[in-house]
Amino acid sequence: AQSVTQLDSHVSVSEGTPVLLRCNYSSSYSPSLFWYVQHPNKGLQLLLKYTSAATLVKGINGFEAEFKKSETSFHLTKPSAHMSDAAEYFCVVSEPSGNTPLVFGKGTRLSVIA
Amino acid sequence: GAVVSQHPSRVICKSGTSVKIECRSLDFQATTMFWYRQFPKQSLMLMATSNEGSKATYEQGVEKDKFLINHASLTLSTLTVTSAHPEDSSFYICSARGQFDGYTFGSGTRLTVV
Repeated sequence: AQSVTQLDSHVSVSEGTPVLLRCNYSSSYSPSLFWYVQHPNKGLQLLLKYTSAATLVKGINGFEAEFKKSETSFHLTKPSAHMSDAAEYFCVVSEPSGNTPLVFGKGTRLSVIA
Repeated sequence: GAVVSQHPSRVICKSGTSVKIECRSLDFQATTMFWYRQFPKQSLMLMATSNEGSKATYEQGVEKDKFLINHASLTLSTLTVTSAHPEDSSFYICSARGQFDGYTFGSGTRLTVV
């Protein structure tokens, strides 16, 4: 079975400082990994996804994530936080093929302080 | 890109009534639809998986007679919450998978049962 563990339920950063949201995964397969963002009372937006191509994945809004198989990690980073980045972030795993559902982590709430 | 239209976005209903939520794939054929539920400040939990023309597969603990899922066509899946009660108040969101390599989410439905 697949699972993801988001190591922090809440991260708070100052505007303009780097963001690091941590995620570890467990999968019997070579997984597909995603990061989604959810703003308050909104739906989900895909930030980026890893599907066994380049291990460093660049996403939207300046976010990127690095797939590290040896560490079973897929941490999300951004060099400089913006106030609009304040939201809930979900690390998600799925099998690389087939009609299997996405499995969500518990989420990390990112707060950005002015 | 692939778009899933989910309606209604918000609904308030009286306890004991039924509510139908629709997800339509606008420009692709959704062979599989996943239905998730998200309680406040929690992650998305898979409720059921439906393949077009087949009965839905429900996750453990999800009452199939209460949450009726229909996926009669490749572009429409519906979730009906029957005899809704306040504890069913939640955010419901669908995710479609088709012939393309990816998952497309609807915008979600906020259900409030009073």
